[in-house]
Amino acid sequence: AQSVTQPDIHITVSEGASLELRCNYSYGATPYLFWYVQSPGQGLQLLLKYFSGDTLVQGIKGFEAEFKRSQSSFNLRKPSVHWSDAAEYFCAVVSGGSNYKLTFGKGTLLTVNP
Amino acid sequence: GAGVSQSPSNKVTEKGKDVELRCDPISGHTALYWYRQSLGQGLEFLIYFQGNSAPDKSGLPSDRFSAERTGGSVSTLTIQRTQQEDSAVYLCASSGGQISGNTIYFGEGSWLTVV
Repeated sequence: AQSVTQPDIHITVSEGASLELRCNYSYGATPYLFWYVQSPGQGLQLLLKYFSGDTLVQGIKGFEAEFKRSQSSFNLRKPSVHWSDAAEYFCAVVSGGSNYKLTFGKGTLLTVNP
Repeated sequence: GAGVSQSPSNKVTEKGKDVELRCDPISGHTALYWYRQSLGQGLEFLIYFQGNSAPDKSGLPSDRFSAERTGGSVSTLTIQRTQQEDSAVYLCASSGGQISGNTIYFGEGSWLTVV
């Protein structure tokens, strides 16, 4: 079965510092990969997605992610974090060729210090 | 409306009572999804609708859970004889079709507390 691992439950960074959130997936074929963000009391907002093509994907709010097949990873990065980026981040993969069912990681909570 | 709308936003119910959670998807979206978010289990898929049909309801935890969609639009998730372990946030999402060509938009969720 497909699975997604986010190794870091909680990360704290200082405002202006760079950020990398890790995501590893287990999936036999070429995956569809996603990063979502959830602010307190809010629904999930799509940051970016990868289906095929260029392995470096640009998203909203200055985020980017790189698909590395050899490492089964899809890490999310941002060069300079803003206080408003404090939220929970979820990596997800489409499951089993279904083209509709998302399997999510457990999430990484990001705290931003002033 | 502009986004996926869910109601109620918060619901506290007594153990054993039935609850209904409503989802209004984005207008024109043919695909509708329900997910559950809880502390212990993270985000779990419950059910997928394409139009009014549910080709995949494999994530429904038990026969106390059911969902329907009418008119290719509004969906209702019903939980009968609620238990404390049903306490969670129930998220609805919709998209214009399957994932490869469309973005899935999530609502803000219905927070359910069973006491």
